[in-house]
Amino acid sequence: QKEVEQNSGPLSVPEGAIASLNCTYSDRGSQSFFWYRQYSGKSPELIMSIYSNGDKEDGRFTAQLNKASQYVSLLIRDSQPSDSATYLCAVNMPTGRRALTFGSGTRLQVQP
Amino acid sequence: GAGVSQSPRYKVAKRGQDVALRCDPISGHVSLFWYQQALGQGPEFLTYFQNEAQLDKSGLPSDRFFAERPEGSVSTLKIQRTQQEDSAVYLCASSPGGDGVYGYTFGSGTRLTVV
Repeated sequence: QKEVEQNSGPLSVPEGAIASLNCTYSDRGSQSFFWYRQYSGKSPELIMSIYSNGDKEDGRFTAQLNKASQYVSLLIRDSQPSDSATYLCAVNMPTGRRALTFGSGTRLQVQP
Repeated sequence: GAGVSQSPRYKVAKRGQDVALRCDPISGHVSLFWYQQALGQGPEFLTYFQNEAQLDKSGLPSDRFFAERPEGSVSTLKIQRTQQEDSAVYLCASSPGGDGVYGYTFGSGTRLTVV
């Protein structure tokens, strides 16, 4: 089992729709969770962080965390073609290495 | 500086050649991380520094890989006797706190191609 798992996609949604991206993690003791956006040929850019159960909203983005289910998600409302990118889930795990562990990313395509 | 700066942006190396990749983190950031990203994959951890101390090097794939941060600022990742499987984007990131618990800022990366 991978430490951080994401569906590779591509996830295709029409412009204006809600895109839902999901991530599961293996270490039940994890406390810090992040979503990064990576455009093709560019480096990852931090877009959301979440530390406690529930929802956290920032503009069109909502991060959701459920520690009991070891599940974190990212919702993008009113999706735009400019949101087309790979979205990486990253988790700070208390055991093992002292650094973020990344999933392999989900590629999102927003169709105009 | 305003962001994390990496150089060179692109490097083509002949197999067996040694390479050195540089990272200049955001001023004042104590934590510095190196990751390797293969095409279509997420970043894979290589090593972590807190100031000048290398606290975790468990991700370095072989003893051909070596990293240093002698004065707690600029870091260099060195790869000796490069192999084709070393071809990847090497990402450097920095964070103001320890262990990246508040997330990182990444540099633009160095794309290494071994021919």
